[in-house]
Amino acid sequence: AQRVTQPEKLLSVFKGAPVELKCNYSYSGSPELFWYVQYSRQRLQLLLRHISRESIKGFTADLNKGETSFHLKKPFAQEEDSAMYYCALSDAGGTSYGKLTFGQGTILTVHP
Amino acid sequence: EAQVTQNPRYLITVTGKKLTVTCSQNMNHEYMSWYRQDPGLGLRQIYYSMNVEVTDKGDVPEGYKVSRKEKRNFPLILESPSPNQTSLYFCASLPWWAGGNTDTQYFGPGTRLTVL
Repeated sequence: AQRVTQPEKLLSVFKGAPVELKCNYSYSGSPELFWYVQYSRQRLQLLLRHISRESIKGFTADLNKGETSFHLKKPFAQEEDSAMYYCALSDAGGTSYGKLTFGQGTILTVHP
Repeated sequence: EAQVTQNPRYLITVTGKKLTVTCSQNMNHEYMSWYRQDPGLGLRQIYYSMNVEVTDKGDVPEGYKVSRKEKRNFPLILESPSPNQTSLYFCASLPWWAGGNTDTQYFGPGTRLTVL
């Protein structure tokens, strides 16, 4: 079974401070990891995925298979980063191809 | 305009009264999916569909049914709703699930369901 854990329900930082949203997963196969973001009163949207290795809105995330983690990081948080963040995992190429498991979500608040 | 639509947006019903939440996308996407969002539990996948007539269970399929008779529609059916199905439901679609070459998943606006 695939499982995603986001240990922090709430995370508060001040503007300009570094931020790290933690995500740990358990999965025996080859996972594909994502971060989704939901801003207030907006639809859920994909922020980034591990295979693209890109930086979106200053956020990066590295897949660490040894630690089974996919933490989301930003060196200097902005107030507009305040949102709900979800880490998600899919079975890349396995029998549950297309099944997407989300973590519980972390509400990030960036204070001025 | 490319979009995923859901209807109704809000629904209050009673236990046991069958209901259907519709989901439609106009992007000719192969992949569609249903999720429920609950406080403290985050987002959980109910069912997904890789293409027409192909559906699979997500993490929480109990109490739900889906069908995919045509590419654009993916209705969620609650045959006998119960209070524990009170939740916020999201539908989403993708061009296709290419395990690494996925485009962004388009989410619908959500349906807030209350079962009394």
